[in-house]
Amino acid sequence: AQSVTQLGSHVSVSEGALVLLRCNYSSSVPPYLFWYVQYPNQGLQLLLKYTTGATLVKGINGFEAEFKKSETSFHLTKPSAHMSDAAEYFCAVSGGSGGSNYKLTFGKGTLLTVNP
Amino acid sequence: GAVVSQHPSRVICKSGTSVKIECRSLDFQATTMFWYRQFPKQSLMLMATSNEGSKATYEQGVEKDKFLINHASLTLSTLTVTSAHPEDSSFYICSARDRTGAPLPLHFGNGTRLTVT
Repeated sequence: AQSVTQLGSHVSVSEGALVLLRCNYSSSVPPYLFWYVQYPNQGLQLLLKYTTGATLVKGINGFEAEFKKSETSFHLTKPSAHMSDAAEYFCAVSGGSGGSNYKLTFGKGTLLTVNP
Repeated sequence: GAVVSQHPSRVICKSGTSVKIECRSLDFQATTMFWYRQFPKQSLMLMATSNEGSKATYEQGVEKDKFLINHASLTLSTLTVTSAHPEDSSFYICSARDRTGAPLPLHFGNGTRLTVT
């Protein structure tokens, strides 16, 4: 069984400030972890993923995330927020190679607003 | 990159009618497609897993007779909401797994906003 907890349903930052979106997971098998972004009335766009190997993963639009097994976390960061980063962000976990059909379990999402 | 096309993007229908939503993988073959439902300001809930040429696997609590899924080819899966009611109004999103590439990440369509009046 897998689950994802995103701490903070709403995060507000100023333009140029650090973005930190928190994600903790639980998984009975080594996880695959993902961050997706969703703009209003649109589908999900993959920001980055962790499967195996390097625990610090870089994604699109300047985002990165670090897999910390000891903390069961996969927090998303960006050094400097841009107005265009305002969107809903979802953390997701899959059971990796041991997961059934590679189904994704999503967190409840974090709405990021960026203030000018 | 892998593209998943979902159609229509928006649909309004009357209570009691049926609505079909299509999900197509445009530049890859998808042996497995997933259908999600998203309520306003909430997360995505997996409804069912669709495998090409076989019956869909529904998640607990999802009515298979109400949400008919067909995955007749490696590039097309359809979700039909039968006898729709206002409580079926939601945002439906499909995703697909590339048959030949890495199994993850999944590629998502842009979603369908269903409004039942």
